[in-house]
Amino acid sequence: DAKTTQPTSMDCAEGRAANLPCNHSTISGNEYVYWYRQIHSQGPQYIIHGLKNNETNEMASLIITEDRKSSTLILPHATLRDTAVYYCIVRVLSSGSARQLTFGSGTQLTVLP
Amino acid sequence: DAGVIQSPRHEVTEMGQEVTLRCKPISGHDYLFWYRQTMMRGLELLIYFNNNVPIDDSGMPEDRFSAKMPNASFSTLKIQPSEPRDSAVYFCASSLFGYGTEAFFGQGTRLTVV
Repeated sequence: DAKTTQPTSMDCAEGRAANLPCNHSTISGNEYVYWYRQIHSQGPQYIIHGLKNNETNEMASLIITEDRKSSTLILPHATLRDTAVYYCIVRVLSSGSARQLTFGSGTQLTVLP
Repeated sequence: DAGVIQSPRHEVTEMGQEVTLRCKPISGHDYLFWYRQTMMRGLELLIYFNNNVPIDDSGMPEDRFSAKMPNASFSTLKIQPSEPRDSAVYFCASSLFGYGTEAFFGQGTRLTVV
C-alpha cells in the first residue's frame, strides 16, 4: 500500500472547519483513501473513504485532488469531541487483496474552546 | 449489535505468567484483526483471520504470541510467557468482506506486565 504523509499536529477553534491534509503521492490507480480517527483511550473509528470523487457523509467530507496525490479531510464544524488522532490510510481494495489497515503516525487534532 | 467486544478491558500480570485476551467480533463479519498499540510503535497489525482461518500472522512478534479463532464469534490472543515489553493496548477489529467496507474496532485491552 502507498505511504502517506500527514502533519504531526493541528489546532482548530471550536465551531470552525478543521481541514486535515494527507499526502499520498505514490498512490496507485486501484488504491482507496481511508480516514480513521482515534479518540484517546478508544479504538480507531472509521470516518470516510474514497477513490477519486469527493465524498461526504454525516461525519466529514473527503476532498481528493484530481491527480489523487493528496487529499483533505474536512470536519465542517469541529467540536471538542473531535479532538483525536486522525489517520489517513491508502490501500488497495479488491477481492484478492489483503484486508488489513496499515496505520501511520496520524495527525493529532486538538479542538480549542 | 453491541459492536466488537473485548475482554478484559484491563489486565495486570506478572512477568512469566500466561495472558489471554478475548474478542467477540460483530455478528456476520468474516474478517477479524488483532492490533497492538504502543507509544513507540503506534498501531501494529499482529494477525488477521478470514472465516476463522489465519491469513497473515507475520506481525506476531515471536513464538510467545499465539492467536486462535475456534468459531465465527470468538477469538483469543495468548501470550505465554508474558514479558514487560508486551505491555500495550491490544485491539481487536472485525469487518465484512466486500468493497469499501470499514473495520470496526473494540475498546481494547490495556495489558500491563510487571
